[in-house]
Amino acid sequence: AQKITQTQPGMFVQEKEAVTLDCTYDTSDPSYGLFWYKQPSSGEMIFLIYQGSYDQQNATEGRYSLNFQKARKSANLVISASQLGDSAMYFCAMREDFTGGGNKLTFGTGTQLKVEL
Amino acid sequence: KAGVTQTPRYLIKTRGQQVTLSCSPISGHRSVSWYQQTPGQGLQFLFEYFSETQRNKGNFPGRFSGRQFSNSRSEMNVSTLELGDSALYLCASSPGEGTNTGELFFGEGSRLTVL
Repeated sequence: AQKITQTQPGMFVQEKEAVTLDCTYDTSDPSYGLFWYKQPSSGEMIFLIYQGSYDQQNATEGRYSLNFQKARKSANLVISASQLGDSAMYFCAMREDFTGGGNKLTFGTGTQLKVEL
Repeated sequence: KAGVTQTPRYLIKTRGQQVTLSCSPISGHRSVSWYQQTPGQGLQFLFEYFSETQRNKGNFPGRFSGRQFSNSRSEMNVSTLELGDSALYLCASSPGEGTNTGELFFGEGSRLTVL
């Protein structure tokens, strides 16, 4: 079974609108971390946001927020007020603290986001 | 604060050759991880080094190896290159203390083409 599933290969959003990128995960580890990264065409992976499995509140970083629903095993990324510069590939990733450990991340297949005028 | 630096950024090799890629982590970071990104397989974990010791290893053949130096800089080596090794190789660094820091920062990658 896929550990990280991103079901949206591509998404379009109008500038200044909000967009939600879906991510579901599968793990039996009691402790894990969830990440979102942005990868522009240049190739660099840009860290956006992190949610630990024991964090009580949803993580937020500026225009990015992570909608963490532990029971449903989902960790959707919400980008508010989209900008043209948000056009990129977005990856959801998970670190399993016991079965994986360290900084071994499992990535999803990514969602290509295109922001339009 | 300087970010993660990877060299070289681009390189072309032929089958059977070997290649060495370098990664300098963010100052103060002791953990360096390596990932391979290909269109077919996506992003896959290669290995992680912490304080000069391999802490974790992905499911890659022994042709892929790495090491970390006392200054936390890391190198990865691929021997007997195959066409399928063509990929973007990404390095990531983190403080490495504990497993829940949430901080994992990537470099721009080294794009390897094998002909």
